[in-house]
Amino acid sequence: QSALTQPASVSGSPGQSITISCTGTSSDVGGYNYVSWYQQDPGKAPKLMIYEVSNRPSGVSNRFSGSKSGNTASLTISGLQAEDEADYYCSSYTSSSTLVFGTGTKVTVL
Amino acid sequence: EVQLVESGGGLVQPGGSLRLSCAASGFTFSGYWMHWVRQAPGKGLVWVSRINSDGSSTSYADAVKGRFTISRDNAKNTLYLQMNSLRAEDTAVYYCARGPCDYWGQGTLVTVSS
Repeated sequence: QSALTQPASVSGSPGQSITISCTGTSSDVGGYNYVSWYQQDPGKAPKLMIYEVSNRPSGVSNRFSGSKSGNTASLTISGLQAEDEADYYCSSYTSSSTLVFGTGTKVTVL
Repeated sequence: EVQLVESGGGLVQPGGSLRLSCAASGFTFSGYWMHWVRQAPGKGLVWVSRINSDGSSTSYADAVKGRFTISRDNAKNTLYLQMNSLRAEDTAVYYCARGPCDYWGQGTLVTVSS
């Protein structure tokens, strides 16, 4: 049950696009289309941003998009805004019928 | 409106026990799997446990297996986490989350310290 691997930090200027990667194995990310992404502000509960690899819940900006290739999933934020500054986590269903989260990525808007 | 409200956190000595509750409202609780996820201070999210919709199937992270027990009462729309043999490394904010982790509670802080 090792955590999925994410970069510790990603930064970008307002208006730019950034991509956060989430690398697992064939027993989690690569084996199922059940990858989700969460945004977490300090002291707050996580908020679901993407589910089932690329689907956006109602109310989430279309500037957020998700994809997957092999054992790596990605979250792209386009048109970066100051309000996007937060921690982001991925998660995946696993072959053990459990969930595993990523190590987390701090997004900084320069 | 979907709401999940955790309670039961607090300060407990190493080796002690605590039971967390998560009161659900605004959706058909008995129709969803539920999860517990924790976050140690300044650290990332870690999945703890899950239970299926009728309570007949459960799973646990290796770190808590044999010490924690997840359960639910669908008549009371409540999820539980019984935590025994607590250790300092169990100190964290504990969140309950609905099925696909689309809704989360606000979390309850558990501190294990002497």
